[in-house]
Amino acid sequence: GENVEQHPSTLSVQEGDSAVIKCTYSDSASNYFPWYKQELGKGPQLIIDIRSNVGEKKDQRIAVTLNKTAKHFSLHITETQPEDSAVYFCAARQGGNTGNQFYFGTGTSLTVIP
Amino acid sequence: DSGVTQTPKHLITATGQRVTLRCSPRSGDLSVYWYQQSLDQGLQFLIQYYNGEERAKGNILERFSAQQFPDLHSELNLSSLELGDSALYFCASSQGQVFHGYTFGSGTRLTVV
Repeated sequence: GENVEQHPSTLSVQEGDSAVIKCTYSDSASNYFPWYKQELGKGPQLIIDIRSNVGEKKDQRIAVTLNKTAKHFSLHITETQPEDSAVYFCAARQGGNTGNQFYFGTGTSLTVIP
Repeated sequence: DSGVTQTPKHLITATGQRVTLRCSPRSGDLSVYWYQQSLDQGLQFLIQYYNGEERAKGNILERFSAQQFPDLHSELNLSSLELGDSALYFCASSQGQVFHGYTFGSGTRLTVV
């Protein structure tokens, strides 16, 4: 199956600074890459996603970039705020499978220091 | 509230026992996915159902089973429980289309003692 690696596992930034989380995937046929934010005691929440035919997508302070050749994708959060503190997960959907299961990275715990 | 309902929120049980976790998907969603989240393994895909039928299977143990009923709610059955089965179990749902993210429930925390 697909193997998704995520770095760093923890990240601390000052409020207002940018945060970048990077993921790599192994299967070049993977075609969809969602990002999830998980706050304490809650389920993961979809924050942004990108398809394999797109190189970049932005939604206000959040952006995702995809490099298909290198098989990596990144989450960029600008002007970070304390409420951005959470665990972030990247995921990849393996193309050609019969279902729609995602393979998740191991998560990045982001702390925004006020 | 995500629209995906999981019950119970917490469950404490002894080794060797059997438990059932329940999930009601978001209205209109036909697919249900079960994931296990443990500290050292992250989010691991267990199984997917689409409109009552099993669609995909991940690393689900033989001691675990699931089903999706005609009203689209799903149950995950865990039997002969071991200490290592202690984890958060998430249900997610989607309309079943590709290129759409899931909506996760808030999870069931299972503790096996």
